[in-house]
Amino acid sequence: EPEVTQTPSHQVTQMGQEVILRCVPISNHLYFYWYRQILGQKVEFLVSFYNNEISEKSEIFDDQFSVERPDGSNFTLKIRSTKLEDSAMYFCASSVRRVGTEAFFGQGTRLTVV
Amino acid sequence: DAKTTQPTSMDCAEGRAANLPCNHSTISGNEYVYWYRQIHSQGPQYIIHGLKNNETNEMASLIITEDRKSSTLILPHATLRDTAVYYCIGTNAYSGAGSYQLTFGKGTKLSVIP
Repeated sequence: EPEVTQTPSHQVTQMGQEVILRCVPISNHLYFYWYRQILGQKVEFLVSFYNNEISEKSEIFDDQFSVERPDGSNFTLKIRSTKLEDSAMYFCASSVRRVGTEAFFGQGTRLTVV
Repeated sequence: DAKTTQPTSMDCAEGRAANLPCNHSTISGNEYVYWYRQIHSQGPQYIIHGLKNNETNEMASLIITEDRKSSTLILPHATLRDTAVYYCIGTNAYSGAGSYQLTFGKGTKLSVIP
């Protein structure tokens, strides 16, 4: 069964450092997403990406965040200067269509900012 | 997107059917009802979705009331591996171009008991 792959599974970084979280979406999918989940809280939408541009983003996705699809297979989330409150599980997802279809989620990257 | 209301937690005996209710009284005519689950902080997993008609797949059945104000997810023969948080999500089928934002609530924590 096809799956979304995320690396690394766990990343520890110092406050103020840049981190890049990587995702390989399912190959024939066209829509890509990042969500995050702070420990014990809800899963929150960050951003959606289609046709090589951001299609929608939440208030959480401020100037410290950026996304990129550098090579047609990878999909990355960059946090420029991490803060303690960025510590969370970050989930990548992809889907074939915008609606009326399922989104496949990766297993997540646990980001710990110290 | 429609606001959904789910019980905080439920128990189900192993082998029995698990019936998870969801109220979405503000759902509009073009909003789908999606169900996802999250097993122990793993990435959310799609279960099923519907618009008006009842749906069934290999995992579950979705029963949507005629007025579409509520729905029930049915796991016909619950196993211990079905222990998870189940999310009922209403999503506007036409919310923006190229977007597919899922708004996760707190969901229902289903515990399947041996």
